Amino acid sequence: EAGVTQFPSHSVIEKGQTVTLRCDPISGHDNLYWYRRVMGKEIKFLLHFVKESKQDESGMPNNRFLAERTGGTYSTLKVQPAELEDSGVYFCASSQGVVYEKLFFGSGTQLSVL
Amino acid sequence: EDKVVQSPLSLVVHEGDTVTLNCSYEVTNFRSLLWYKQEKKAPTFLFMLTSSGIEKKSGRLSSILDKKELFSILNITATQTGDSAVYLCAGRQGAGNMLTFGGGTRLMVKP
Repeated sequence: EAGVTQFPSHSVIEKGQTVTLRCDPISGHDNLYWYRRVMGKEIKFLLHFVKESKQDESGMPNNRFLAERTGGTYSTLKVQPAELEDSGVYFCASSQGVVYEKLFFGSGTQLSVL
Repeated sequence: EDKVVQSPLSLVVHEGDTVTLNCSYEVTNFRSLLWYKQEKKAPTFLFMLTSSGIEKKSGRLSSILDKKELFSILNITATQTGDSAVYLCAGRQGAGNMLTFGGGTRLMVKP
């Protein structure tokens, strides 16, 4: 069974540019989550999709971040325009159920904004 | 604000030693506590604990939850170099299913 796949693994962009991160969850998992870890801090929740609907986006830092999950399969997270403080590792996770289901994480995308 | 604190921050032991990693939590509408091992990239799932006092075991690893005192421990016996990793614990919130992570404990096991 394929795990959670994220692309790209690394991205280096300049401040003001746009970057789009992609996440392919485990097949059949309706729940998809985005988390990120910025330098020196804990992994923090960004948002949660159930199929194509945003269940909880309380962790999204500002309106420069846009997450989509058209068709309820893969998801993209776009940062536009990127700022220096957006640098960090962006993790995607998926789970089949919600309440008592374990989350499976992808390897993350290391984003560096210069 | 929800908070998860792990201790120690880092730990260096020798192969064969036993280690105990600590995790205390303050999570709104707490549902469960999860432990993950992160070696290089993806955090890999270890345990999910929902009930107090019931030990979960997987090989040399075991974990237990105390919902009264709001903490969990992860024990690793007879450590091996392959146990070297960052161990993360996270509290799951009931309402939104959001995980609040601790900062992790970095474990290094020397031969």
